[in-house]
Amino acid sequence: GAVVSQHPSWVICKSGTSVKIECRSLDFQATTMFWYRQFPKQSLMLMATSNEGSKATYEQGVEKDKFLINHASLTLSTLTVTSAHPEDSSFYICSATVGSGSTDTQYFGPGTRLTVL
Amino acid sequence: QQQVKQSPQSLIVQKGGISIINCAYENTAFDYFPWYQQFPGKGPALLIAIRPDVSEKKEGRFTISFNKSAKQFSLHIMDSQPGDSATYFCAASRSPYKLSFGAGTTVTVRA
Repeated sequence: GAVVSQHPSWVICKSGTSVKIECRSLDFQATTMFWYRQFPKQSLMLMATSNEGSKATYEQGVEKDKFLINHASLTLSTLTVTSAHPEDSSFYICSATVGSGSTDTQYFGPGTRLTVL
Repeated sequence: QQQVKQSPQSLIVQKGGISIINCAYENTAFDYFPWYQQFPGKGPALLIAIRPDVSEKKEGRFTISFNKSAKQFSLHIMDSQPGDSATYFCAASRSPYKLSFGAGTTVTVRA
């Protein structure tokens, strides 16, 4: 149980285009979903926290107009990288929280490798 | 400011040996301490987690030791195998809020 999927697993796009990444909780309803980015040999950096039906909460330094997050349902969240540039190339990982309060556990998707040419 | 400090950055261990990774935190409000295992090109996978009401938790070859007074916790990998070669991240949170991750430790198990 507690499987999180991401689509696509990798994407290559031209500079200036937009890319959408989907994150789905396959066998549970996620109260909260998180989006991270990870550069090679570095830790995960939280970009934003999203709850179904409400606006995402972005971490300091993350451009909300560039990284659009839509949490349409309890099983789906999307991250759209708008007007992508080479510096946006990274590994994007989502996670979803199972449970509530003190019993919650965060499960991660397999990640999406974005390369902007 | 990194809220969770992890060490070492990397370690090499012989097959059958013990891998030990240490983490320290400052925020006494943290009440959930998971460890994640990540292989190259993959997302992190939850390995084992502990809450501050216990000092140790064991699952198979993986053990978390937790020292609340010292604000430290560690992961022990017993009988290390080549398949354990991965990057390990400790994390901490105040449930149900966002996780603060350590910098990661790359473990290499030599056959």
